[in-house]
Amino acid sequence: GQNIDQPTEMTATEGAIVQINCTYQTSGFNGLFWYQQHAGEAPTFLSYNVLDGLEEKGRFSSFLSRSKGYSYLLLKELQMKDSASYLCASMDSNYQLIWGAGTKLIIKP
Amino acid sequence: GAVVSQHPSRVICKSGTSVKIECRSLDFQATTMFWYRQFPKKSLMLMATSNEGSKATYEQGVEKDKFLINHASLTLSTLTVTSAHPEDSSFYICSARDPAGGEMGRYFGPGTRLTVT
Repeated sequence: GQNIDQPTEMTATEGAIVQINCTYQTSGFNGLFWYQQHAGEAPTFLSYNVLDGLEEKGRFSSFLSRSKGYSYLLLKELQMKDSASYLCASMDSNYQLIWGAGTKLIIKP
Repeated sequence: GAVVSQHPSRVICKSGTSVKIECRSLDFQATTMFWYRQFPKKSLMLMATSNEGSKATYEQGVEKDKFLINHASLTLSTLTVTSAHPEDSSFYICSARDPAGGEMGRYFGPGTRLTVT
């Protein structure tokens, strides 16, 4: 079966660094996505990894290991506005996105 | 970046009535559109995939006669919830694929909060 696992909730302090992990099992693989979703809003695209390694984009970085079926999203210099849910999604062989349940990130001052 | 609009953003309706939700790609032609629903604190659940000019492909367990999807043009798809019941209350989100964007060319609408009383 297809499955995406990520922690339900994480708490971090403003200015700190947090890493959100995601493991996936999908039928085929065409990339791993991270989205940010604020409450009551639609997801917004953060990153896409299809090759192993780290992709850095400003304060956010995303890492992929295809052999381990593992990805993480790294958020640096946390700001209060980063409080949101972070959704991991794997694209399967049919180019369908398989979604994780999301990780709610709580930022404390 | 590409923009996808959804209308209405919020709707309250009575049981037994039908509600239509529109999804438009504003600056690109979307060959494929996806309809999701999301329950509180849960992930997105794909309901159906629609390609312009053809019938939608529904996911297992989604009633196609209840959730009517029409993708009449490359910029517009509609989801009609027929004979709505309180259990249909949810957050409905559409996503449109921009073929020029490759795998990253997926854009989400702002969502529609449906409440059935």
